[in-house]
Amino acid sequence: GEQVEQRPPHLSVREGDSAVITCTYTDPNSYYFFWYKQEPGASLQLLMKVFSSTEINEGQGFTVLLNKKDKRLSLNLTAAHPGDSAAYFCAVSAENTGYQNFYFGKGTSLTVIP
Amino acid sequence: EAAVTQSPRNKVAVTGGKVTLSCNQTNNHNNMYWYRQDTGHGLRLIHYSYGAGSTEKGDIPDGYKASRPSQENFSLILELATPSQTSVYFCASGDRLGGREQYFGPGTRLTVL
Repeated sequence: GEQVEQRPPHLSVREGDSAVITCTYTDPNSYYFFWYKQEPGASLQLLMKVFSSTEINEGQGFTVLLNKKDKRLSLNLTAAHPGDSAAYFCAVSAENTGYQNFYFGKGTSLTVIP
Repeated sequence: EAAVTQSPRNKVAVTGGKVTLSCNQTNNHNNMYWYRQDTGHGLRLIHYSYGAGSTEKGDIPDGYKASRPSQENFSLILELATPSQTSVYFCASGDRLGGREQYFGPGTRLTVL
């Protein structure tokens, strides 16, 4: 089955610095990619989803890059602020009917130091 | 707006006791999921369901049962709770079609003494 590896498990940056979290996956049939954010004591909230081949998606203060050739997904926070301190999880899903098979990375705990 | 709710939010149980965690969704999604989250393991899938009346084993089903009596409700049952089942449990719902995101409930913190 799919194997998703997320790095680093812990990341500490200063306010205004960039932060990069990377996930690699193994199943070439994986087609849908997601980033979730989990603030302390809270649930998982969808940050962004990416569907197609090599693609850059930009959100509010972050960029998601997908490289299907290298089977690599990355989340780049361009100028981190303390409100970004949270756990981040990538999720990978293959196109399928019926069961929506999500595979999660083990998460990255990000701390932004003021 | 999509909504997944869980009850109870916190639960303390004794070893050997029965625990039922409940989940309700108003998204009209076919699929529902139970995960547990532990430090160092991320999210692990326990059971899932395609719709009312169906339950399927996930990656770590041992010690757990599930019940899906209706489209909206999905329960996780620990018949004989053990301390190793102390964890945070999340319910999620998702569209049947691939590529759709999962929506998560607020979580239940379970402590088994």
